[in-house]
This record gives sequence, C-alpha cells and structure tokens, in this order.
Amino acid sequence: NAGVTQTPKFRILKIGQSMTLQCAQDMNHNYMYWYRQDPGMGLKLIYYSVGAGITDKGEVPNGYNVSRSTTEDFPLRLELAAPSQTSVYFCASRTDLWGGNQPQHFGDGTRLSIL
Amino acid sequence: GQQLNQSPQSMFIQEGEDVSMNCTSSSIFNTWLWYKQDPGEGPVLLIALYKAGELTSNGRLTAQFGITRKDSFLNISASIPSDVGIYFCAGQEETSGSRLTFGEGTQLTVNP
Repeated sequence: NAGVTQTPKFRILKIGQSMTLQCAQDMNHNYMYWYRQDPGMGLKLIYYSVGAGITDKGEVPNGYNVSRSTTEDFPLRLELAAPSQTSVYFCASRTDLWGGNQPQHFGDGTRLSIL
Repeated sequence: GQQLNQSPQSMFIQEGEDVSMNCTSSSIFNTWLWYKQDPGEGPVLLIALYKAGELTSNGRLTAQFGITRKDSFLNISASIPSDVGIYFCAGQEETSGSRLTFGEGTQLTVNP
C-alpha cells in the first residue's frame, strides 16, 4: 500500500514556465488536498476536492489550478510560474467514511524552485 | 481566515527532559490534530483529539483538547534524540471539506 504518492520530488522551473505536480493515492479516499509550505512556516491550503469532479479553493489558490477526473489522482497545475511560488508542495488525502473526523495523510512533498 | 497561534516557535532541550507546546485559536474546531515533520518528509500524524476536554496518550506523547475547543497542548515526556523535528498543531473543520488550519510549528532540538 503506497499511500499518497507525489511526483516529482524536486523541480526547478524558469519564470513563466508551466508544470503539473502529480498526486495519487491508492486508499480510495474521496477527499484530497494540496498545501504549500514556505520555509519556517506551517502549511497553507491551496485547493481541495471532496470527490471526483468536485474541486474548491483553499486559502491561497491564486496562480494554481486543479482537476479531479478520478478518485485516485489530484494534479496541481502552475500555468505561469513566479518566484513567489517557490515552496514545498504537499498533497494529502482522507476518507469520508466513519464520520467527519478521519485525519489527513500526507505525501512526502514536491520541492519546487522558480528562478 | 482562521489562525492558529502555536508556541513556542523553537525549543532546545537536553535528552530526558519533558517538553510542552500549545496552540490557541480564535475559532472553534471540532477536531485537533498534532503532526510531526522530519526534514524532507511530509507531516506524520501523532495524535488526533475528537472531544472537548479529551486527554489522549500515544507512548511518551500526551495531548489534550481544550474545553473551549479553541486550544490544545502536546506534551512529550523523557525526550530522546529522535524526537527532533517540527511539530504542528492543526484544527479540522467539520464542513468545507474538513479543511485543516495549521499552526506555524514548533522546532524541537534535543541535545544528547
């Protein structure tokens, strides 16, 4: 059981380039989340999804897009990379079974630098 | 948006000492979580608290969910070198996709 898998682990982009950060989970979780973590800070929510075909903005969605065509995958897209998007990106998932209290489980992150 | 105030920001302790850290919020949460993050890895869940007033232990870790539902603390007893890392509190909403709001983290250093 792989849990939450994020690819790539590291990436360097030039300003204005685009890329997609991949996130996949094999636990059949309906809820998935994308966070960013800046140095010395806590995680801030970018986007989340409560099921295939449903996405919603979090606290810091500007400059990002997401899609959720399957339960397993929740890719995060940067269209025009900016230096302010240099960060570590974490994907998480949780089940919505057994009530609303199930905790989120995190991937190991994607470290993104934009130069 | 909601904010969690986590303190202290950092702690430097000797092996064997006990540690305490806490989080306060301006809003009520129905679930409080404590995560640990090691360098280069994602946060790992340590303890989850589901009821106001609840006191829960996990080995040397003890956490409590405040009565007002606006605060929580985490204690680590008899610290060991592998306790080094960043500890985050998080409040979970019951609506809005069960979103998490994270504290800023407590960086723990344990000297052997």
